[in-house]
Amino acid sequence: EAQVTQNPRYLITVTGKKLTVTCSQNMNHEYMSWYRQDPGLGLRQIYYSMNVEVTDKGDVPEGYKVSRKEKRNFPLILESPSPNQTSLYFCASSLGLATDTQYFGPGTRLTVL
Amino acid sequence: TQLLEQSPQFLSIQEGENLTVYCNSSSVFSSLQWYRQEPGEGPVLLVTVVTGGEVKKLKRLTFQFGDARKDSSLHITAAQPGDTGLYLCAGRASGTYKYIFGTGTRLKVLA
Repeated sequence: EAQVTQNPRYLITVTGKKLTVTCSQNMNHEYMSWYRQDPGLGLRQIYYSMNVEVTDKGDVPEGYKVSRKEKRNFPLILESPSPNQTSLYFCASSLGLATDTQYFGPGTRLTVL
Repeated sequence: TQLLEQSPQFLSIQEGENLTVYCNSSSVFSSLQWYRQEPGEGPVLLVTVVTGGEVKKLKRLTFQFGDARKDSSLHITAAQPGDTGLYLCAGRASGTYKYIFGTGTRLKVLA
């Protein structure tokens, strides 16, 4: 089954404790992206990647890091999480910019205390 | 910062009524997508419009892209309780690889 998977689905952590949210897709998609969703603010793009080893900042990249060493994986790293990074995070992938059709993962709800 | 403004934010209607959701920006978009999101799930694509003035229909849903590719609308005819959800518009601004999402329209259709 074609899908985007994220782990963990739920995470409660404390300020400053490094964490990684994994994202994997099995559709051989070139484009992958991370978003955060907050009430009243909608989905905001954090980082995106157009292919292996090619990443760039979205609108809200501060406090986040990403890497794209393999085509299927695009982990989101929070080196020193803060309470304002409490949010619902979504990973998405698409075949390429020609389609603009993004397939979203199920989401990761992160709480930073 | 490019913005996509959606209106209305909330809409509660009776089954069988029609409704229109609007998505507006001052920026030009290469394409515009409409998604629907259920609680606890990621957004699911409904349609992509690419050409200015384009109209696409998906059963009772009609999507239109503005002539100048700065705005879009979603019209639902004879809404049903199954249409309840969060509707999101999203666009890729011309010349970029970034996607901008609207803040969403939360629709509730009462039986």
